[in-house]
Parts: sequence; C-alpha cells; structure tokens
Amino acid sequence: EAGVAQSPRYKIIEKRQSVAFWCNPISGHATLYWYQQILGQGPKLLIQFQNNGVVDDSQLPKDRFSAERLKGVDSTLKIQPAKLEDSAVYLCASSYRTGVNEQFFGPGTRLTVL
Amino acid sequence: KQEVTQIPAALSVPEGENLVLNCSFTDSAIYNLQWFRQDPGKGLTSLLLIQSSQREQTSGRLNASLDKSSGRSTLYIAASQPGDSATYLCAVRLEGRRNTGKLIFGQGTTLQVKP
Repeated sequence: EAGVAQSPRYKIIEKRQSVAFWCNPISGHATLYWYQQILGQGPKLLIQFQNNGVVDDSQLPKDRFSAERLKGVDSTLKIQPAKLEDSAVYLCASSYRTGVNEQFFGPGTRLTVL
Repeated sequence: KQEVTQIPAALSVPEGENLVLNCSFTDSAIYNLQWFRQDPGKGLTSLLLIQSSQREQTSGRLNASLDKSSGRSTLYIAASQPGDSATYLCAVRLEGRRNTGKLIFGQGTTLQVKP
C-alpha cells in the first residue's frame, strides 16, 4: 500500500512570495490533515478535511493561508504572501475516517522563507 | 485547552542503556495517546498507540504506559541502540465531541544514543 505522498520535499522562497504544497493521501482515506511543524516544536494542526469539506481550520492563518481538496482526494496548501515565521515543515496526514482511525503521515515539505 | 509537555527536550545516552521518555498532558479527557518517531528530514512514524482504557502497550524493545488520571505517559526503551537516535513525539486525541481526529503534540524529545 502506497503511503501519503507530498511534493515538493523542499522549497526556498523570498518573503512576500507565494508557495503551494501538494498532498496525495492513502487511497480510500476520507480524512486529510495539514500540520505545521516549526523547528524544535511539535506539529500543530492547520486544517482538517473530511472528503472535500473542512472539519477544523481554527488554527489556519486565513489572511495568508488557504487550502482546498476539491475532489475529496488530493489537497493543496497555499501561502500568499509568505512571512519569515512561515519557515517550517508542512506535514500532510490521512486517516480512513475522522475520529477513530490512526493517522498516517507523509514525509513533509520543508519551507524556508528568506 | 489541552497542553502536552515532554521532558527532557534532549537526551544523550551510551549504547545499551535503558531509558525513559516522559509525556504529560493537562486534560485527562483523552481518547488515546500515541508515540511517534521522527528522523531528520522525515515524516512521523507511529510507534505505539494506547487507547484511554489501556494501561500500556509493547512493541519489541519499546513499552509505553498511560496513567490517564494523572495525565502522564512514559515511553521506555530497553537496551538502546545508535539506530534509536531520533526525535520522539507524543500526541493525544481528545475524547467525545471534541474527537475530530486532531492530534495535539508535545514538543518532542531528541534522543542521541552513542556507540
């Protein structure tokens, strides 16, 4: 069984530029999560989807971050414009359904904002 | 608000030692607690998952315990090896109506096992 796929693995941008990350969850997994992990900290949930609907986006900085999961499968997370403090690893995870099943994590995208 | 704390932040031990990593959480109303391993530049690998009704889980040289009432969990690693060097994260999932699947993580303990 293929795991959660993410791309790109690394990205370096200047502040105020925009960037997008892509995630492909495990086949058949209805729930998809985006976490932000700043260096030295644990991951923090940014947004959670159930199929193509948003379950929780309470910690998403909506003035600059956006995410979508149009067909209930792949998802993209966008930052526009990026700030220095957005430098982090962005982890995508998926689970079969919300609330019960274990989450499986992708390798993450490491973003550096200069 | 649930907060998860891990102590120590970093640990260095010689190969062969038994060691304990600590995790504490402020709200005992959890659905489960999970321990993850994170290697540099990699994602998270699940090590052990303890349901709220369980006291411990074991996998190979790893043993995780859970004391829900006191808000504590420990990860015991027996006979440590250099390959165990990584960051270990604990995470809790809330119970009941707050159980949306969201994991709340501690900041991690970075372990170095020296040959």
